[in-house]
Amino acid sequence: NAGVMQNPRHLVRRRGQEARLRCSPMKGHSHVYWYRQLPEEGLKFMVYLQKENIIDESGMPKERFSAEFPKEGPSILRIQQVVRGDSAAYFCASSRGQGVLGTEAFFGQGTRLTVV
Amino acid sequence: AQTVTQSQPEMSVQEAETVTLSCTYDTSESNYYLFWYKQPPSRQMILVIRQEAYKQQNATENRFSVNFQKAAKSFSLKISDSQLGDTAMYFCAFINAGNMLTFGGGTRLMVKP
Repeated sequence: NAGVMQNPRHLVRRRGQEARLRCSPMKGHSHVYWYRQLPEEGLKFMVYLQKENIIDESGMPKERFSAEFPKEGPSILRIQQVVRGDSAAYFCASSRGQGVLGTEAFFGQGTRLTVV
Repeated sequence: AQTVTQSQPEMSVQEAETVTLSCTYDTSESNYYLFWYKQPPSRQMILVIRQEAYKQQNATENRFSVNFQKAAKSFSLKISDSQLGDTAMYFCAFINAGNMLTFGGGTRLMVKP
């Protein structure tokens, strides 16, 4: 059973380009979380999704950022018109999310976005 | 909304000694899980230990144990016989019945030889 897969591991974009980060949750997991980590800082919550639904996006910037988790395929975090301040590591986690037993979250290895 | 606070940004400990990392949280819910995650220089997030709120017994995993004080909303991590490989960022995390996963700001632990 593969773990949470994020790709790419490293992504370089020029200012103004779009960045698309992918997250494939563990098999059987229907809940996905996205976090941003700036250098030397902690994990900042961005968005929580279930299949085809955004449950909580209170941590997402109002502009340029969007996320989806379609019925089929990976979850996508999309950043339009990237700026230097978007440079960070973006982590995805997944969980079963069903009752008490399902609440453990497993993390991917992250995508390091560098905006030049 | 729940919050998780780690009041120690950095800590250091001598190899083979014991260190305790603090974590407090705030919630109005009664059913939840608490976790400690480790993030070594590789940046991979690794689950160290977890505690179910309805269990009074403190969780233990080898050299790692927690002191869970539900009334005080405190969840500290004790690392015994510290090893150089324990050097990492440690994050306390909370998940509620609504599956909202919240992290503290992290504690950077340095194990010195």
